[in-house]
Order: sequence, then structure tokens, then C-alpha cells
Amino acid sequence: DQQVKQNSPSLSVQEGRISILNCDYTNSMFDYFLWYKKYPAEGPTFLISISSIKDKNEDGRFTVFLNKSAKHLSLHIVPSQPGDSAVYFCAASANYGGSQGNLIFGKGTKLSVKP
Amino acid sequence: KAGVTQTPRYLIKTRGQQVTLSCSPISGHRSVSWYQQTPGQGLQFLFEYFSETQRNKGNFPGRFSGRQFSNSRSEMNVSTLELGDSALYLCASSLQGRTGETQYFGPGTRLLVL
Repeated sequence: DQQVKQNSPSLSVQEGRISILNCDYTNSMFDYFLWYKKYPAEGPTFLISISSIKDKNEDGRFTVFLNKSAKHLSLHIVPSQPGDSAVYFCAASANYGGSQGNLIFGKGTKLSVKP
Repeated sequence: KAGVTQTPRYLIKTRGQQVTLSCSPISGHRSVSWYQQTPGQGLQFLFEYFSETQRNKGNFPGRFSGRQFSNSRSEMNVSTLELGDSALYLCASSLQGRTGETQYFGPGTRLLVL
């Protein structure tokens, strides 16, 4: 059973517009969430993270929102650029007595930003 | 600071063989985690090492094993390879593997089993 779900396998947006990538989770023990970006034949690159004690974290064009009651998080990219075209993975981890435990990944959303 | 490095980048093996993959974490990072990425299953956690000890393990058969050395470098071994082991194997490092720390990934080793 998937604990982290990215229900949209793909998303296409126009350059300059907002990209919104969504992620749902089922495990209420998750307390740290991350977004990674991945190009083909490369490892995932860390983008932005959020702790469960916050509901928003911003870094430049990237903002992550966390809604704990809905067990939902989203990544907003504004404005979207063609170089943002990649697969985006949502990941979550739980705190096991101070140890992070493993990252649980969603299956990814392929973002295409059209010029 | 140099990033996470993995060797080799590409590997072709035949069924029944065994393979060893290597990962050098970011300098100062002591936690190393391994993941398998396949088109069908996505990114799945294999195991995590900290201070030369396996601290966490995912749901993979015993054919998958690993170890960590005193300099935090890690190796992953897969014995009796099966066709389904063809995947991208990713290594990630973090300072101590504590919650709130970011895991940084290497470029991966692409393994093809024929």
C-alpha cells in the first residue's frame, strides 16, 4: 500500500505560469517532507523541504504547502521555466527516536514547461 | 564540497552473477542510504548505514546486502542476480540521518541484468 501518493503522473504548463504539484500521504507519523527534482540518468536533486510543525516554506520560486489535517502537500513553482521540466518526487520520513528512518517516495510527476 | 559519488555508473551482468556497487558520501556525512529505482515501483528504500552499522532496512530479500567503512564510504552487494534486479541504484548521504536532515543523492549506478 502506497504511503505517499502523487496522483498526477504528468503535468504540462506554459512558461511563466504557476506549476502546482500535489502529494498525499497516509502515515500520520510522517513529520518531514521533501521535494526532489530528477532528470533522466541523474540522481534526484533536493529542492525544498518542510517540517510538520510548519504549513509553508518558501525558497525563491519554490513554495511548499503542508496541510496536516488533509495529509496533503503541494509544491508551487512560480513562474515556471522550461528548465523546470523534470520529474518531481515527493518524499516523507518519520522520526524514530531521533533517527530519520528511510525516505518514502511517491512515484513522481513529470512536469513539462512549454515555452 | 564534492557531492555524493557512485561507481561504477553503468554495469552489465548476467543472471546468477553477483555485483558490488560503491558510494562515497559528502565529506562529513555519516549516514548513507541506498535506494532502488525501477519504472514500475519507483524509488524504494533498501537500507541505511550509520557508523558502520545497518540502522534501517527496507523490504528486500537477503540477496541485497551492504556495509559501511570507517570513512563512511559504503558498498552494496547483490548476489545471485535476477532479471528483475535491473534498475538504477541510488545512494544518498546525510549528516547523521536525523529527522529534519536532507538526504543528498548521487548520480546512481545503472545495472542491467541479462
